Amino acid sequence: EAGVVQSPRYKIIEKKQPVAFWCNPISGHNTLYWYRQNLGQGPELLIRYENEEAVDDSQLPKDRFSAERLKGVDSTLKIQPAELGDSAVYLCASSFGRHIGNTQYFGPGTRLTVL
Amino acid sequence: EDQVTQSPEALRLQEGESSSLNCSYTVSGLRGLFWYRQDPGKGPEFLFTLYSAGEEKEKERLKATLTKKESFLHITAPKPEDSATYLCAVQAVGGSNYKLTFGKGTLLTVNP
Repeated sequence: EAGVVQSPRYKIIEKKQPVAFWCNPISGHNTLYWYRQNLGQGPELLIRYENEEAVDDSQLPKDRFSAERLKGVDSTLKIQPAELGDSAVYLCASSFGRHIGNTQYFGPGTRLTVL
Repeated sequence: EDQVTQSPEALRLQEGESSSLNCSYTVSGLRGLFWYRQDPGKGPEFLFTLYSAGEEKEKERLKATLTKKESFLHITAPKPEDSATYLCAVQAVGGSNYKLTFGKGTLLTVNP
């Protein structure tokens, strides 16, 4: 079974430029998460989708970050404009169903460097 | 606010030298405690979920245990391929029920 797919794996941009990350979850997983992981830290949740609905985006910096999950499958996370502090690894995860304790499976992440 | 503290930050072992990693947590109510392994340049890889105090789970050389305040990841006779960062996360009752709150991880190095 294919895991969570993310692209690109690496991205280097200059500050104030836009950037987008793409995620394809495990087939059949209706819940999708975007996390940000800073160096030496654990991942922190940015947004969670149930199918195509964003049900928890309280940690998403909405002035510059946006996300979408059209048709309830693939998702895109966008930053515009990027700032130096946005340099981090952006992880996508997915899980099956709405049950508490459902395992979240992570993709390889996109490492963003903002110069 | 949910909090997860992992110790030590880094641990260096010789091959075959058993040890334990600690995860202390503070949550209003625990739904589940998760252990993940993360290799450099990769995403976290799921290891275990524990739901209640007294629960134990094993996988190869790893054994996870849970009390009301902390979890331990015991590594028996580790091998160099066990070298990785081990992350602990909690899922709490109330609020965003599906949110995982992670600790900073323990970087384990096993020397041959």
